Amino acid sequence: QVQLVQSGPEVKKPGASVKVTCKASGYTFNFHGFSWVRQAPGQGLEWMGYINTYSGNTNYAQKFQGRVIMTTDTSTSTAYMELRSLTSDDTAVYYCARDWGQPRYYFDYWGQGSLVTVSS
Amino acid sequence: QTVVTQEPSFSVSPGGTVTLTCGLSSGSDSTSHYPSWYQQTPGQPPRTLIYSTNRRSSGIPDRFSGSILGNKAALTITGAQAEDEGLYYCALYMDSASWMFGGGTKVTVL
Repeated sequence: QVQLVQSGPEVKKPGASVKVTCKASGYTFNFHGFSWVRQAPGQGLEWMGYINTYSGNTNYAQKFQGRVIMTTDTSTSTAYMELRSLTSDDTAVYYCARDWGQPRYYFDYWGQGSLVTVSS
Repeated sequence: QTVVTQEPSFSVSPGGTVTLTCGLSSGSDSTSHYPSWYQQTPGQPPRTLIYSTNRRSSGIPDRFSGSILGNKAALTITGAQAEDEGLYYCALYMDSASWMFGGGTKVTVL
């Protein structure tokens, strides 16, 4: 069965970076891309960007361009999301979500979420 | 900038029916953007309900259905149950591997 297991909670200081991991299992890793979605406390879902696990190509939401880097390691079936120059506004739960792909374009599996707290 | 619009909240009686919609602030047809729907309960990750407007995800009860209302995608819960309380988000595929989420609709069953 498909599983996406994310890394544990992190506490970071303003200005620091955080790297969240998402380990996939139960399917062929590079058959599906990943999006990263975050949710600030009491807020809605916010799409951050996408990575094609086959080509490594990425597409980031304009809001995060220059501050986010998404990568994958196919040897370990793991996706990574690094966010730099953290501020308190980045305090959120970060989810990885598998994209089913063409022609459906939806998220069929989700990780359990990783809480990132930014505090001085 | 175009945003995805959803009703902020709905209340439905147990056994009742409620329809949520998902549109684009520009007035464009949201149904051409592969709408999908997700349910979220407190402390849980989103759960995928509907994709491609009206296809139910695996294991989703048939009381959840997707459709088109005018130029908006719609999610209908028929015969609402207490466990259907939660937040419902729609997502639209915009282009070139980018998505937008709506602000979510809070559904209360009482």
